[in-house]
Amino acid sequence: GAVVSQHPSWVICKSGTSVKIECRSLDFQATTMFWYRQFPKQSLMLMATSNEGSKATYEQGVEKDKFLINHASLTLSTLTVTSAHPEDSSFYICSGTGGLNTEAFFGQGTRLTVV
Amino acid sequence: ELKVEQNPLFLSMQEGKNYTIYCNYSTTSDRLYWYRQDPGKSLESLFVLLSNGAVKQEGRLMASLDTKARLSTLHITAAVHDLSATYFCAVLNTGNQFYFGTGTSLTVIP
Repeated sequence: GAVVSQHPSWVICKSGTSVKIECRSLDFQATTMFWYRQFPKQSLMLMATSNEGSKATYEQGVEKDKFLINHASLTLSTLTVTSAHPEDSSFYICSGTGGLNTEAFFGQGTRLTVV
Repeated sequence: ELKVEQNPLFLSMQEGKNYTIYCNYSTTSDRLYWYRQDPGKSLESLFVLLSNGAVKQEGRLMASLDTKARLSTLHITAAVHDLSATYFCAVLNTGNQFYFGTGTSLTVIP
């Protein structure tokens, strides 16, 4: 199947700093990218949906100024957690899809720890 | 708001036994996905069900979809330890967004 490469796999940062997570679709054009957050032993919560070249659509309760999403090309989307705090510590997963009725492919996930 | 519920949340079963995981969703959708997640890992795609009555099988797992009942099932046949993982169903809404079920944590014991 198609591959979505996400990095870094894990990152530890200090409170107040920003962290960027990248997702690249390696062998398909991801017209839509989804970003999820998963707390321990919980399900995946959709944070935002982004279509290439457009502003991301954020789910209710997700601060768009804190979680900056850029989807400037069909193969790259980034999530920047700005002014990170310990409560932002979580497992972040991206997925990309090439269009309607197509499968979504997931990145490997990024475990973020804010200390 | 689209809601996706799975039942049960936790499941411990002996090797060799059969069991079914249920996934109910609250709004019309013809696209239902099943994923497996191992601890600390991302999601592995298991099945994509794209129409009412769809049934797919891979090894000891079989998934089905009833769009009229808004229900999908994941049936486990003769469970083995390697199947221990968390299983998620996910529904795609009209906006092409995935909404995940609560997850079913499966432990297969010898």
